[in-house]
Order: sequence, then C-alpha cells, then structure tokens
Amino acid sequence: SAVISQKPSRDICQRGTSLTIQCQVDSQVTMMFWYRQQPGQSLTLIATANQGSEATYESGFVIDKFPISRPNLTFSTLTVSNMSPEDSSIYLCSAVLGLAGAETQYFGPGTRLLVL
Amino acid sequence: AQSVTQLGSHVSVSEGALVLLRCNYSSSVPPYLFWYVQYPNQGLQLLLKYTSAATLVKGINGFEAEFKKSETSFHLTKPSAHMSDAAEYFCASTSGGYNKLIFGAGTRLAVHP
Repeated sequence: SAVISQKPSRDICQRGTSLTIQCQVDSQVTMMFWYRQQPGQSLTLIATANQGSEATYESGFVIDKFPISRPNLTFSTLTVSNMSPEDSSIYLCSAVLGLAGAETQYFGPGTRLLVL
Repeated sequence: AQSVTQLGSHVSVSEGALVLLRCNYSSSVPPYLFWYVQYPNQGLQLLLKYTSAATLVKGINGFEAEFKKSETSFHLTKPSAHMSDAAEYFCASTSGGYNKLIFGAGTRLAVHP
C-alpha cells in the first residue's frame, strides 16, 4: 500500500483566516481526492484533483472557498479560505494506486481543523 | 442516484461474538464496493473491496464481506470480535472504476469484555 502523509496533522485557527493543507504521496498517481469529515459524520468528497487540469468540485463546494493545487504527480494542497467555525472538520486526501483492474483508493491520516 | 446505506449507527458486541455490520447500496451500474475502518484519531484503512470478481471477499484482520446482488447488500462480518476491532466502519461505493467514493454514514463498533 502507498504511504500518504498530510501536514499539518491538526491546527487551531481563528475565523477569517486561511489554512493550506499539504498531501504527499510516496509514488506517482493520477487521481487524488480531497474529502471533508465533519464532527461525527461520514466523509464527503470536496473535489477531484488531477495533475495538469483544474480541480473538479462537487456540489456545495466552490473553488473560492477551497482552492486546490496539483503541481505534480505526488503532491496536492487544499486551502480552506476565510474560515468560520462551520469549517471545523477533518480534511482527508486520498489517492488511487495499483495496477489496472486492481486499483485501490488510499487515504492520508487527515488534518484535524478547529476554527474558533 | 448512487447511494450507500449503513443500518445501525452503533453496534455493540461482546468479545468473541460475531460481528455483523450491514451495508446496502443503490447503483444503476454494477458497483465497486469497499469497507474502510477508522480508528480513533486516525485516517481510513481499507479492510476489503469487491470489484466484480468473487462475491465473497476476504480482507484484513479476519473480516470478510459477501456481495449479494439480489439483496443489493455488502455486509461485513467477522466470526469473533476482538477488543482491538472497536472503531468506526465505513461502507463505500463507486459506480465502476475508481472515481469518487460515495460513503455510508458509518457504524461505530464497540466491543466489550
């Protein structure tokens, strides 16, 4: 399985500020995803981040609020902009790895964000 | 629309007892189905996956799941629960391929002595 790391692992931020979360994969991948897990909830996909193209956002998520970068095949960032307490969540990145027909989506450890 | 339903937000079993976590899916095309586990303060770990091969799938830590098309189900089982199995379990689906995952609401498994 792949190793996916995220930085920071957790943070406490003031409302109105922005936080950029980094996701690093230990091998080259085409597809990366960003998810949000609100307290006590399941995971919701924010966007798909493919290298060489703009991120594709799911309904309810917009680029101005959650800008994403994907500069190469091993790295992506998610920024949570102009934060409010409602943005307090765990943010997880994932990547699809494996041979064709045996692909698997692996997750990073998550970034725990608390907005005051 | 594609969806995943997990019956029972909380399941409690005794150590050594059978674990059964229920998952039903709704998909217009044959799905790929997954079970992930999330231990406290950790990310998601893949337990097992169904990708249209064998309908009985064996995963890590003694877990297995059976794909039943007629029941649109993919329930997760383990014959004998261990204290270390206490965690949150998520069923997820894609509509073929490895695009975005649709997650169920999750089931929190408690194991008591």
